Amino acid sequence: AAGVIQSPRHLIKEKRETATLKCYPIPRHDTVYWYQQGPGQDPQFLISFYEKMQSDKGSIPDRFSAQQFSDYHSELNMSSLELGDSALYFCASSPRGTNYGYTFGSGTRLTVV
Amino acid sequence: DAKTTQPTSMDCAEGRAANLPCNHSTISGNEYVYWYRQIHSQGPQYIIHGLKNNETNEMASLIITEDRKSSTLILPHATLRDTAVYYCIAYAGNMLTFGGGTRLMVKP
Repeated sequence: AAGVIQSPRHLIKEKRETATLKCYPIPRHDTVYWYQQGPGQDPQFLISFYEKMQSDKGSIPDRFSAQQFSDYHSELNMSSLELGDSALYFCASSPRGTNYGYTFGSGTRLTVV
Repeated sequence: DAKTTQPTSMDCAEGRAANLPCNHSTISGNEYVYWYRQIHSQGPQYIIHGLKNNETNEMASLIITEDRKSSTLILPHATLRDTAVYYCIAYAGNMLTFGGGTRLMVKP
């Protein structure tokens, strides 16, 4: 079965650089979610999109932005990277509604040096 | 979303049933109980969910008390591959909030 695809798997950036993470949801899933997980921490919700519109916003820094495109893939853009942005970034997708579980991707490990 | 409370950690012998409790005394009527697990550095994995009735799938069983203030996730025959952090989440349809899961260690 198709899964949520995230790219790249690993990314190393220097401070103050920019990074773009990509997420390809499961076909026919209209909602995409982004999570950040720092070392030893629980996943923290960043932002979500439903039908290409921003749906909910969590603890996403102003330096980060995201969007969902017409083919439902989503990109998380991160600028002015800081050492503290080093984390695992997970994308998940689901059909809209309360009776569906999220399917998570394998994540992108971002290291800022 | 309602706050859930889980034990910080639990051990289970391989081949035995693992029973993971969760308290959600402030859960509202429209919130489902969802269980996810995260094996080290992998994406969280959906296990099971329910509203009022007990549920079973190929991975686990979910027992929800009649007053819906608590639930138990049951892994019937735990294996070493079930070692993970298990999250119980009260979900009303906006976003999943992870926090305070149970670290289950399955031992040989």
